[in-house]
Amino acid sequence: GESVGLHLPTLSVQEGDNSIINCAYSNSASDYFIWYKQESGKGPQFIIDIRSNMDKRQGQRVTVLLNKTVKHLSLQIAATQPGDSAVYFCAEPSPHYKLSFGAGTTVTVRA
Amino acid sequence: DGGITQSPKYLFRKEGQNVTLSCEQNLNHDAMYWYRQDPGQGLRLIYYSQIVNDFQKGDIAEGYSVSREKKESFPLTVTSAQKNPTAFYLCASSLPGGRNTGELFFGEGSRLTVL
Repeated sequence: GESVGLHLPTLSVQEGDNSIINCAYSNSASDYFIWYKQESGKGPQFIIDIRSNMDKRQGQRVTVLLNKTVKHLSLQIAATQPGDSAVYFCAEPSPHYKLSFGAGTTVTVRA
Repeated sequence: DGGITQSPKYLFRKEGQNVTLSCEQNLNHDAMYWYRQDPGQGLRLIYYSQIVNDFQKGDIAEGYSVSREKKESFPLTVTSAQKNPTAFYLCASSLPGGRNTGELFFGEGSRLTVL
């Protein structure tokens, strides 16, 4: 079964606002997570990753937060732009270095 | 430039026909993967290969076959035994776990439609 899952399938956000995308995982032993962005008709692209020895990691306009107590992670996008419209997946490695993906959250940016 | 190339981008097939999707990478990655994506769903693993001449079934391997004769190539055959083959197929590659972060590099996908 699925070991990671996102809370909401869709998110509509006003351009310029911040976006928060949530993801829950079930395996308390999980120690590494990756966020991917998939634009329409394209393959997913790596955004940012985080290891379990960290609570927070920042990239360019993106921040990932990891709460190991409640097995939850989130992706925050600052000052959301039209180019941020996409499907966002959280993923974690499973045995044999495969990645297990959640169902994805579709982010739509309103002008 | 290094990357993963999938072809064809769009493919139509009649019921009962086998079809092969191509995936080539020049990233010198050892591991390659095939995922299937249906509307509103996440990626589901079909097959993966960690080294040449070796591959393993993923979560939904029934009705599919693969080969890994070369490091650069990992073709996927969708056979007539696959009951619902219409989907978006994604190929990916990575360095084996323990040598990198586990990040996958994806191709642009192949959309298969069965008529």
